[in-house]
This record gives sequence, structure tokens and C-alpha cells, in this order.
Amino acid sequence: QVQLVESGGGLVKPGGSLRLSCAASGFTFSDYYMSWIRQAPGKGLEWVSYISSSGHSKQYADSVKGRFTISRDSATNSVYLLMNSVRAEDTAVYYCARGGESELRWFDPWGQGILVTVSS
Amino acid sequence: EIVMTQSPATLSVSLGERATLSCRASQSVSSKLAWYQQKPGQAPRLLVYDASTRATGVPARFSGSGSGTEFTLTISSLQSEDFAVYYCQQYNYWYTFGQGTKLGIK
Repeated sequence: QVQLVESGGGLVKPGGSLRLSCAASGFTFSDYYMSWIRQAPGKGLEWVSYISSSGHSKQYADSVKGRFTISRDSATNSVYLLMNSVRAEDTAVYYCARGGESELRWFDPWGQGILVTVSS
Repeated sequence: EIVMTQSPATLSVSLGERATLSCRASQSVSSKLAWYQQKPGQAPRLLVYDASTRATGVPARFSGSGSGTEFTLTISSLQSEDFAVYYCQQYNYWYTFGQGTKLGIK
């Protein structure tokens, strides 16, 4: 079955870096856009970044632009989010999610989420 | 940025009754709208995409409607497992989510 499993979360100090990973299985990974979406404690959902199926197109929310970098590796069927210069407001559960084939679409499925806490 | 506004923020409905959730876009998103259900401690689950198409495995009591800037998710006869937070999301231009509607038991 289609599955997404995030890893790499944890506690990081303000100004520090962290790399999240998402391992995909059960579908042809190279055919799909992939995204990261986050949810601060007790808050709603915020789209963070997407990467196209080819990896050539990437977009970021204004709140993370210039600090976060999304990438993908078809050899390992994984998508990554490198988080630099993290701030307290980056504290959230981060979900990876599958998007559409060759275009922006809905998110389905989602991973179980991974918690990132930014604190000194 | 397209802003998505959901109403009401909270909604209390009795078991077996109908629930109607609304979502408004700040500009037209055509029919590029999805609805998700999220229960505490869980990842969101896709319910509806393209404004009115139910996702695989979603019960028929869930239905979506609308286009352009006005959208509705209707749950025809509430079951206990339907009490959750519901989010709309547009994918016409990048992605944005509404702030959510919390559906509780009356």
C-alpha cells in the first residue's frame, strides 16, 4: 500500500539546522509531486514547500523561503527538507504528502508526521 | 496569495443530524479544492477533491459542492467518528489551507 514515513525530527536550537526525511513506498515515486506541510501546536495546517516529479521545480512558502530547501532522490524514493536558521515559530509537526502526477493537486496520502521543536 | 476562509470556526451538531461546513476563497480557484478530516493525534485524511469527488473509501454521507470562490462540505447524517477538525485547501495557485472548522457533538 502507499506509505510515507517521516524521520529526522527532534529538538534543535534557534539558528540551528535539521534535515527531515520522508521515505515513500507503494507507488511510482518519480511520477509524483511531493510536499511538506506543517502544523504548529494547536494550530492549523500550513503548506511549506513542494517539489515537482522531476525535481526541477520547487516552491516555498514565504515564511521559510531562503531558509529551507526541499530535495528528492529517486534512487531511495525519498524526499528531504533541509531546515536552516530555524526559529521558534518553526516548531511544528511536519508532514510529508504526495501531490499530483505532473501538476499541483490534492494531498493523498500523508505521512504520520514528525515533531520539530526549536528551543534553547 | 489566495486566502481561504472557513466558517464557522466551531460547529456543534447532534448525532444523526446534518452538518454544513463552508469555505470561501479570496479569488476564484475554479474547482481545485479539497477537503480533509483530522482527528486528534492523527494526520489529515483526504475526503473530497476537485470540489465534489469523494476520495476512495470515503462514506457517501460526505459530499462536496461549489466552484469559483464558494464551497461547501456536507455530512448528511453525523456518526460519532465524524467529530473532528475539517480543513479546505486550494491547489489552483500553489497551495493554501483554510483555518479549519471544529465539528463537535451537541
